[in-house]
This record gives sequence, C-alpha cells and structure tokens, in this order.
Amino acid sequence: AQRVTQPEKLLSVFKGAPVELKCNYSYSGSPELFWYVQYSRQRLQLLLRHISRESIKGFTADLNKGETSFHLKKPFAQEEDSAMYYCALASGGYQKVTFGTGTKLQVIP
Amino acid sequence: EADIYQTPRYLVIGTGKKITLECSQTMGHDKMYWYQQDPGMELHLIHYSYGVNSTEKGDLSSESTVSRIRTEHFPLTLESARPSHTSQYLCASSAQGRTGELFFGEGSRLTVL
Repeated sequence: AQRVTQPEKLLSVFKGAPVELKCNYSYSGSPELFWYVQYSRQRLQLLLRHISRESIKGFTADLNKGETSFHLKKPFAQEEDSAMYYCALASGGYQKVTFGTGTKLQVIP
Repeated sequence: EADIYQTPRYLVIGTGKKITLECSQTMGHDKMYWYQQDPGMELHLIHYSYGVNSTEKGDLSSESTVSRIRTEHFPLTLESARPSHTSQYLCASSAQGRTGELFFGEGSRLTVL
C-alpha cells in the first residue's frame, strides 16, 4: 500500500529564514510526487510536481528515491508563504492520489 | 471559465436525513474524486471515477454512494445522515494522463446534528 508521511504538523520560521517541509513516502513502484498548498480561505491547489523539476513561488522539491523523500524547500520564507502544505503521491497505473497529513507553515514577521 | 463547483458550501441537517452533495466541473476532465477531510487532518479518498458509468471506492470506507451519469457531474449521496458523517467533503478532477494534478472545488462542509 502506498503511504505519505509528513512528520511535522506545524513548522514556524521567521521571515527570511530557510524553509524545509519534510515528506517521506512508501511505494513499491515508480511514484509521482506532488506538493499541494492551501492558503487561508482558499481551495487546495497544486504547487509543484517532481517530474517538471520547476520552481514555483521560490519553492523547489527534489525526489530522492534512495531516501524515499520529497522535501519542499525555500531559501527565504515570506509571510505570504504561511499556509497548509500537503505532500501527495500518485501511483502509476492507479487512478488515485494519496495525501499526507499536511504541515502548517507559519512565517513569523 | 473552466472550474469545478461544489454545492452546497455549508449544510446543517438532522440525523436520518438524505443528502446529496453536488459536484460539477467544466474542465473537460475524465477523472473525478471525492475526499473527506476533518479539520486539520489529512484528506481521505472515499470515491473516484475514471469516467461515465465508472465508480470505485477509495481508501477510506464510507457509507456514501456516488454516481457518474454525465462526465461533468459526480454527486455524492448519504441516504441517512449521522453525526459521524460530519466533515468536509472535497471534490476534485484531473485530466487523462495527469492523475496527480488534481483541481479541487471549494468543498462542502456538512454538519449532522
């Protein structure tokens, strides 16, 4: 069975400090990993996908198959980054996406 | 504008009532999903659909049922609501070949008294 683990429920950082939101997964096949974000009073939305290797709003995430991790990073946190972040895994061949429990990022001014 | 719509946004009802949560998308997507989420908790997949006349149960057992008679419409029904059904229900869709890229509705928050 596939599983996504986000060990931190809450992560508080000061503005300008680096951010790392942790995500580990378990899946026997070749996974596709995603990060989703939910800002206050907004709907859940896709932030980035590992296959595109893109940087969105200054965030990047690298898939490490050896460590089965997909941590989300940003070098300098901004107040507008405060939100709920969910790591998600889509298993190839299946038609479903599994989410982690989410990490609330709080950026302190 | 292409979007995914959920109604009602908020619903408070009594135990034993039948309810239907509506979900419609104008994205042209084949795949649709229902997730259940309690406040501050993870999303649990309860139903999904590959296309018309295709529905599957998700990872979390649910007493709700779904139907997919039209591509754009994926309603969720509870025949007899109970307080344990109190939760937020999120509908999502994705395009063929882009399973992990979900587009979510704003959610329906259900409270059963």
